[in-house]
Amino acid sequence: GAVVSQHPSWVICKSGTSVKIECRSLDFQATTMFWYRQFPKQSLMLMATSNEGSKATYEQGVEKDKFLINHASLTLSTLTVTSAHPEDSSFYICSARIRDAGFFGPGTRLTVL
Amino acid sequence: DAKTTQPTSMDCAEGRAANLPCNHSTISGNEYVYWYRQIHSQGPQYIIHGLKNNETNEMASLIITEDRKSSTLILPHATLRDTAVYYCIVRVGAGNQGGKLIFGQGTELSVKP
Repeated sequence: GAVVSQHPSWVICKSGTSVKIECRSLDFQATTMFWYRQFPKQSLMLMATSNEGSKATYEQGVEKDKFLINHASLTLSTLTVTSAHPEDSSFYICSARIRDAGFFGPGTRLTVL
Repeated sequence: DAKTTQPTSMDCAEGRAANLPCNHSTISGNEYVYWYRQIHSQGPQYIIHGLKNNETNEMASLIITEDRKSSTLILPHATLRDTAVYYCIVRVGAGNQGGKLIFGQGTELSVKP
């Protein structure tokens, strides 16, 4: 149990376009999901906490207007990178919490040309 | 959440036990110790967590010292597939803003034949 999926697994886009990444909890409901990004050879950095039915909470330094988060149901959270630029190229990973543990999706690799 | 300190890297021979240490000297009474691992280009995988008692599951054992200022993750019979970055994280178990997993740099474990 406790499977989290992400879609797409990778995406390449042109600079200036927007990209939506989906995170789904497949066999459980998650009122809280988390979004991370990871640059090469670095650790995961928490971007925001996504709460079902309410506004996301962003970590300091993360632009909420650039990284739009929607948690419309108990099994789906989406992250939209708006007006993507090459510096947004990264590995984006979501996590959903059940009981006391968080379970992670496989990640989405975004490349902005 | 309390900060953790882990060695940057460790080697282990295949078939031998891998003992990964973690210091968390500022841990609070309501903070749990979590262990995750990340294999290259994948999302982190939950391993185990505990509060003050030692814990064991099908993947590993977690030994927490009596003063809770340090812990050790034990992989009893390491295989090549256990090569990964291992993260020790301390976190409050519940609550609205609780539940965030903040990743440090982790220990890069290399299991060698």
